Amino acid sequence: AQRVTQPEKLLSVFKGAPVELKCNYSYSGSPELFWYVQYSRQRLQLLLRHISRESIKGFTADLNKGETSFHLKKPFAQEEDSAMYYCALGGSTDKLIFGTGTRLQVFP
Amino acid sequence: DADVTQTPRNRITKTGKRIMLECSQTKGHDRMYWYRQDPGLGLRLIYYSFDVKDINKGEISDGYSVSRQAQAKFSLSLESAIPNQTALYFCATSGGGYGQPQHFGDGTRLSIL
Repeated sequence: AQRVTQPEKLLSVFKGAPVELKCNYSYSGSPELFWYVQYSRQRLQLLLRHISRESIKGFTADLNKGETSFHLKKPFAQEEDSAMYYCALGGSTDKLIFGTGTRLQVFP
Repeated sequence: DADVTQTPRNRITKTGKRIMLECSQTKGHDRMYWYRQDPGLGLRLIYYSFDVKDINKGEISDGYSVSRQAQAKFSLSLESAIPNQTALYFCATSGGGYGQPQHFGDGTRLSIL
């Protein structure tokens, strides 16, 4: 069965500290992994997808098939990074399974 | 991304009322989705549609129905609203294909008293 696990509900860091938001998945096929960000009272926005292998707003994520993980990382957190982050898994069905989300708080 | 528009943005109503939430898109996508978002539960899929003649139940379809009036329009109905349907509802679209993301509307905040 497809499943996405984001073990942390809340992650609090100070500005300038490194950030890692964890995402683990369960899927027997070839996974598609995404990170979405939701700023306060706004819509979900695509942040990253694994096939692009790009860096957006300083965030990166690497798909590790051996560990079935797609952790989101940023070396130096900024206050404007405070938001809700969702990891999502797609596959052959054109549906997405979302994790329960991690709220990132960046303190000044 | 104003290409996916949801109406209304906010709605307060009473138990037992029929409610319709509407979604329209100008992205030309075939695939449309309805989710609800609850604190601590993330987003859960209610219904999805891959074209005008295709409607599929998602994870939590009980108590909901949908209509795909056109490629660009996908509405969600609560036939008889109940308080535990209070949530934030999102519509999303996708062009389909491997690695293609979904694009979300601004959401409808629904409160059922």
